[in-house]
Amino acid sequence: RKEVEQDPGPFNVPEGATVAFNCTYSNSASQSFFWYRQDCRKEPKLLMSVYSSGNEDGRFTAQLNRASQYISLLIRDSKLSDSATYLCVVDSGGGADGLTFGKGTHLIIQP
Amino acid sequence: EPEVTQTPSHQVTQMGQEVILRCVPISNHLYFYWYRQILGQKVEFLVSFYNNEISEKSEIFDDQFSVERPDGSNFTLKIRSTKLEDSAMYFCASQGQDTYEQYFGPGTRLTVT
Repeated sequence: RKEVEQDPGPFNVPEGATVAFNCTYSNSASQSFFWYRQDCRKEPKLLMSVYSSGNEDGRFTAQLNRASQYISLLIRDSKLSDSATYLCVVDSGGGADGLTFGKGTHLIIQP
Repeated sequence: EPEVTQTPSHQVTQMGQEVILRCVPISNHLYFYWYRQILGQKVEFLVSFYNNEISEKSEIFDDQFSVERPDGSNFTLKIRSTKLEDSAMYFCASQGQDTYEQYFGPGTRLTVT
């Protein structure tokens, strides 16, 4: 099973700031890409899927660079409730396969 | 909004005992998964299940593990003879037919003593 690499952080960011996370993945066959968020001792919750054309959902923007095998997440106007661990997740390239998770980037929004 | 549910939320068992973890996936979903997360570590894939059979499994999913869909709603993970290192959070996930997005249940915390 291939790997997903993320900076573990923590990222300490003041409320209202913009923060960006990146991750790289090693499996060139991966077809589906996601950002999940995980609160302490809770399940991963899907934040957004990531498409080649890039996609935006409110304050969140995700980008995918297939050539560099690199995925990013941008959070604008950060809120206290954005404090969580952000998990970069990819599939194994075979359709309905198990997902490969990064270790996550821990974000702390400070008032 | 439909969601994946799991029971129990916490299971404590002695080493060598069998445990069954239960999941009810989202009702119209067709693909089912089990993952585990050891405390402080990343989420790891165990097994995927489709059309009443295993479609993929990881190297973690050895002979002590089995999965079953005994009826139209439940999806279970059985660990036959638990070891201390099986202590982890076990998450069930399900996926619909027209998407690759997986939705996770709240997890079962398994503690093996």
